[in-house]
Amino acid sequence: QQQVKQSPQSLIVQKGGISIINCAYENTAFDYFPWYQQFPGKGPALLIAIRPDVSEKKEGRFTISFNKSAKQFSLHIMDSQPGDSATYFCAASLVSGAQKLVFGQGTRLTINP
Amino acid sequence: GAGVSQSPSNKVTEKGKDVELRCDPISGHTALYWYRQRLGQGLEFLIYFQGNSAPDKSGLPSDRFSAERTGESVSTLTIQRTQQEDSAVYLCASSPPGQGGSYEQYFGPGTRLTVT
Repeated sequence: QQQVKQSPQSLIVQKGGISIINCAYENTAFDYFPWYQQFPGKGPALLIAIRPDVSEKKEGRFTISFNKSAKQFSLHIMDSQPGDSATYFCAASLVSGAQKLVFGQGTRLTINP
Repeated sequence: GAGVSQSPSNKVTEKGKDVELRCDPISGHTALYWYRQRLGQGLEFLIYFQGNSAPDKSGLPSDRFSAERTGESVSTLTIQRTQQEDSAVYLCASSPPGQGGSYEQYFGPGTRLTVT
């Protein structure tokens, strides 16, 4: 009930291409869906987040697509750059109470120059 | 401004020893979280503090794990009688009150714990 499943585990994309990472959740009560970016030796940093009242959110080259009925959401990175190479985590939580994040397993993204 | 800091950055300990991990949250952040990240895995929630109280300890894996927070600031995560399966990166995060819809958690760099 609390799981968030993320795929793929690893992804290699050519510079300038589109990177797509997918997540699925089980708990229909979740109402906050962030994506975090983590570089080696660093803590995760918030990249972009969405609430379930919208189906898409775009910030620069990063877009979240959200499908409430399918309980799925995805991160799209347009015009992927070598500097985007990192591990990406999707997560879900409730905006009330503890707001503890339930994380996916992570996707190691490599952008080839 | 200063971000979340954690110390030590690395800790190697022998099985059976106790360890203390420290987190200094961003000043003014009332919420504080501890997560654990095993190698190649996502982060697992351990405990949540609001001020100095811990209303949600549901992620602590056993009674060998405990945490406290004092002065609505520094938090210490203690692992007693460490086991090899405790080896992981322990991450602390904090968030301010009333984020106006942001809900962002700000993470520290983590403490890498290795139990030999």
